[in-house]
Amino acid sequence: DGGITQSPKYLFRKEGQNVTLSCEQNLNHDAMYWYRQDPGQGLRLIYYSQIVNDFQKGDIAEGYSVSREKKESFPLTVTSAQKNPTAFYLCATTPGSVTNEKLFFGSGTQLSVL
Amino acid sequence: AQSVTQPDIHITVSEGASLELRCNYSYGATPYLFWYVQSPGQGLQLLLKYFSGDTLVQGIKGFEAEFKRSQSSFNLRKPSVHWSDAAEYFCAVQRGNEKLTFGTGTRLTIIP
Repeated sequence: DGGITQSPKYLFRKEGQNVTLSCEQNLNHDAMYWYRQDPGQGLRLIYYSQIVNDFQKGDIAEGYSVSREKKESFPLTVTSAQKNPTAFYLCATTPGSVTNEKLFFGSGTQLSVL
Repeated sequence: AQSVTQPDIHITVSEGASLELRCNYSYGATPYLFWYVQSPGQGLQLLLKYFSGDTLVQGIKGFEAEFKRSQSSFNLRKPSVHWSDAAEYFCAVQRGNEKLTFGTGTRLTIIP
């Protein structure tokens, strides 16, 4: 069954802690994206990757880091430098690196601060 | 920079009534235009998109949208809503090779 798997569904972070959100896809899509969603706001792009071992900052990359060691995986680390991490995080993919393609989304991870 | 405005934060309609969700964008040329839908606690799903050609675009789940260049709008419509249409709806725009810009969303509530 093809798709995008985000885990965990819910995650809690203690102050000063780094946490990693997982995003795995078996769609064989080239490009992967991380978005942050806050209530009453649209989605904001954190990082994106169009090819393995390469990624670019989005609009709100500060306090976050990513890696793309495998085509299937694009984990997002929320570092202690991100002072307001509580949000819903969405991973998405597109088949190629052409930017006007349809985005395929995972079901999201809700991150909260303890 | 491109931007997109969804002026209605929350809309309530009766089941069976018609629906129109508004979306306006600011950009000189015609961008690529999208509507996505999000159920609570879930990811987004593409309803429809407009790149060029016929200005009335048909999408999934009985939705359609009309591009109006003179008004810089791309409003989403459905002739008769169902309770399952309750969700949040996002308009998004993209120009050239720039990344997608999302509106702030409109939450749709359906009353029996």
